Amino acid sequence: KQEVTQIPAALSVPEGENLVLNCSFTDSAIYNLQWFRQDPGKGLTSLLLIQSSQREQTSGRLNASLDKSSGRSTLYIAASQPGDSATYLCAVAANFGNEKLTFGTGTRLTIIP
Amino acid sequence: GAGVSQTPSNKVTEKGKYVELRCDPISGHTALYWYRQSLGQGPEFLIYFQGTGAADDSGLPNDRFFAVRPEGSVSTLKIQRTERGDSAVYLCASSLRVGGEQFFGPGTRLTVL
Repeated sequence: KQEVTQIPAALSVPEGENLVLNCSFTDSAIYNLQWFRQDPGKGLTSLLLIQSSQREQTSGRLNASLDKSSGRSTLYIAASQPGDSATYLCAVAANFGNEKLTFGTGTRLTIIP
Repeated sequence: GAGVSQTPSNKVTEKGKYVELRCDPISGHTALYWYRQSLGQGPEFLIYFQGTGAADDSGLPNDRFFAVRPEGSVSTLKIQRTERGDSAVYLCASSLRVGGEQFFGPGTRLTVL
């Protein structure tokens, strides 16, 4: 059974710093990996999707990498802003034709102005 | 609409009652997913539809839970004889194609008293 772990559970950094969020998964046979942000009391906003054949994806100040063989992904946020404060979740899809996502418990990020 | 919508946004019910939760996916999205999120946890998969049929219902916790998507668009999650342990946020997501990026709705917060 796939298990997804995100460490740390919470992180606080001063505004302007670059930071890295970590995600690990136990079964490397994944189809894709998706990063989301969730604001308190809200749904999930998709940030980046990495296919299993890709090594990284970039969107603005965000960069996600994937090392499937070691079961790891990182989300890099450059020049953090207070608006980046949210919970960040990673999720993996098992196989094409089995698209249900298995989520980690998230990292709660606070950017200190 | 522009995104996935879910109604109601909040539902309070008494133990033993029947509830229906509705999801309107993004127009043209063929895949639809239901997840459940408890406080402090990542979402957990319930059921996945491809078109009108349930392709994977392995996440439904028991036979009190049922979901339909009769015309391949709107979906309804039905919970019979609700229990206090059913209290959670129920999230719906859709994707344009099998294996594609999943886009989430704002969720329905269900509280069973």
